[in-house]
Amino acid sequence: EIVLTQSPGTLSLSPGERATLSCRASQSVSTYLAWYQQKPGQAPRLLIYGASSRATGIPDRFSGSGSGTDFTLTISRLEPEDFAVYYCQQHANTPRSFGQGTKLEIK
Amino acid sequence: EVQLVESGGGLVQPGRSLRLSCTASGFTFGDHSMSWFRQAPGKGLEWVGFIRDRGSGGTTQYAASVKDRFTISRDDSKSIAYLQMNSLKTEDTAVYYCTRGYNTPSYWGQGTLVTVSS
Repeated sequence: EIVLTQSPGTLSLSPGERATLSCRASQSVSTYLAWYQQKPGQAPRLLIYGASSRATGIPDRFSGSGSGTDFTLTISRLEPEDFAVYYCQQHANTPRSFGQGTKLEIK
Repeated sequence: EVQLVESGGGLVQPGRSLRLSCTASGFTFGDHSMSWFRQAPGKGLEWVGFIRDRGSGGTTQYAASVKDRFTISRDDSKSIAYLQMNSLKTEDTAVYYCTRGYNTPSYWGQGTLVTVSS
């Protein structure tokens, strides 16, 4: 089973700042990695697939990078609606697995 | 518009069974694989399993934590995916989501809460 480790666990930033979230896989997942955003009481929302492709309707302030075992989600300039929990997920093989999440909170 | 609506959740005693339904609309259901995920209260996301579309063999795969207890099936004529949950444990308490696809799903239902407690 591929284990995904996200860091940091919590990130405290202000609107307008840049956010950098990391996800590390226990073995290579190539670019079979996605990022999701989840707000309280809501289903997850797909942001990035294939490590770097934005999903439909996702603003271009969200970008993803990486391959193999190290991945990054960058939010260039934080908007108030971006404060949420972010998960990475691999689909290189089964079982599918998620990171434990990074909570992005307002400083 | 793609819509996925889960139903069938509720309070159930340990050891009992429950069947969740995921009713789909807005797309050709039979052309797509379907997945189930869950999220325990205050915890992260967990993959439960998926069922491929008939053209891809209609096969299923499951997480180790539910294998041999949970079964995913589908009725393409009704556009419904099912999650049959047997021998439920307290640790199965979670919001259960169905999604379209089995790689990086972009369509999710609103979820249905299953509480396993005596």
